[in-house]
Amino acid sequence: EDQVTQSPEALRLQEGESSSLNCSYTVSGLRGLFWYRQDPGKGPEFLFTLYSAGEEKEKERLKATLTKKESFLHITAPKPEDSATYLCAVRAIVGGSYIPTFGRGTSLIVHP
Amino acid sequence: KAGVTQTPRYLIKTRGQQVTLSCSPISGHRSVSWYQQTPGQGLQFLFEYFSETQRNKGNFPGRFSGRQFSNSRSEMNVSTLELGDSALYLCASSLATSNEQFFGPGTRLTVL
Repeated sequence: EDQVTQSPEALRLQEGESSSLNCSYTVSGLRGLFWYRQDPGKGPEFLFTLYSAGEEKEKERLKATLTKKESFLHITAPKPEDSATYLCAVRAIVGGSYIPTFGRGTSLIVHP
Repeated sequence: KAGVTQTPRYLIKTRGQQVTLSCSPISGHRSVSWYQQTPGQGLQFLFEYFSETQRNKGNFPGRFSGRQFSNSRSEMNVSTLELGDSALYLCASSLATSNEQFFGPGTRLTVL
């Protein structure tokens, strides 16, 4: 059973067309939800950490929010350079270990 | 501040061989985690080390092992390689086990 589900799998936007990416999770004992951006051929780049429901973080055109069951990454007026795969990860207790679980990601393409 | 470095960047091995990958974390970071990334399974957690001790472990067979040295540098070893071990292996460092992680560029392993 997937503990972290991201939707949509892929998203195409026109430059300036705002949208949101979703990350839903079913773990208990959440110890943090993380957003990363990954460009082709590179390692993920850290964007945000959220720890409690109601928390919000912003960076340039990105804003991350967290509820008890999901997180959203809002992209306002995106530019072509925002094209990347966006990954969501949660840290929780699984089988006695405190491990991070990643979603499959949302592949975002922003057309000029 | 230098980022996470991984060596080698590319590696080709044959089935049955073993391989050792190396990771140097960001200066001051004491936690190092290893991940396997494949198109089919996404990013999966292997294990995490903090101050030379394995703190958390994912659901991988015992062929996958690791260690961390006193200078926080880490190595991971895969013995008796299988075709399915072909993947991008990513190392990530953080100040502590619960903090945001900073990823290296990865080692692309191909098993023939």
